Amino acid sequence: EAGVAQSPRYKIIEKRQSVAFWCNPISGHATLYWYQQILGQGPKLLIQFQNNGVVDDSQLPKDRFSAERLKGVDSTLKIQPAKLEDSAVYLCASRPLAGLYNEQFFGPGTRLTVL
Amino acid sequence: RKEVEQDPGPFNVPEGATVAFNCTYSNSASQSFFWYRQDCRKEPKLLMSVYSSGNEDGRFTAQLNRASQYISLLIRDSKLSDSATYLCVVNPSIYGGSQGNLIFGKGTKLSVKP
Repeated sequence: EAGVAQSPRYKIIEKRQSVAFWCNPISGHATLYWYQQILGQGPKLLIQFQNNGVVDDSQLPKDRFSAERLKGVDSTLKIQPAKLEDSAVYLCASRPLAGLYNEQFFGPGTRLTVL
Repeated sequence: RKEVEQDPGPFNVPEGATVAFNCTYSNSASQSFFWYRQDCRKEPKLLMSVYSSGNEDGRFTAQLNRASQYISLLIRDSKLSDSATYLCVVNPSIYGGSQGNLIFGKGTKLSVKP
C-alpha cells in the first residue's frame, strides 16, 4: 500500500515570498491533517480536513496560511507571505474515518527554510 | 501547564539497558493515548497505543494512569536501533477517534550506545 506522498521534500525561499506544499493521502483515508514541526518540538496541528470539509483550523495562522482539499483527496497548504519563523517541517498525515485508536500515517514532510 | 509534557532528555544508555520515559497531560477528559517514534529527519510513526490496563509489545511496555494523568513507556534490553525521539501523544477530544486530533509532546531523544 502506498504511503502519504508529499512534495516538494525541500524548499528554500526568502521571507515575504510565497510557497505551496502538496499532499496525497493514503487511498481511502477520509481525514487529512497538516502539521508544523519546528526543530526540537513535536508536531503542531495546523488544520484537519474530513473529506473536503475543514474540521479544525483553530491553530492555522489565517493571515498568511491557507489550505484546501477541494475534491476530498489531495491537499495543498500555502504560505503567503512567509516569515522567518515559518522555517519548519510541514507534515501531512491521514487516517481512516472511524476508530478510537486508528493510527495517523505521516508523509515524509516538506522541510522549509525561510531566509 | 503545557498540554503534554515529557522528560526533557536526552537519554544516553548502553545496549541492553532498561529505559523509562514519562509523560503527563493536562486535559483530564483525554480519551486516547499513544507513543510515536521519530527517527532523525524522518516522519513520526506509531509505536504503540496506550490502553487503560497497560499493554506490552515485545520489549516495549506502555502504561496509563488516568488519576495522575500520567503515561509511561518502558523499553527493556535496549538495542542500537531503538535510538530515536519518542513522542508522547494525546487525543484530548471527548469524542476520541471520531475527531482524531492529536497533541504531541516535544519528544524525548534516546541514544543507545554500544
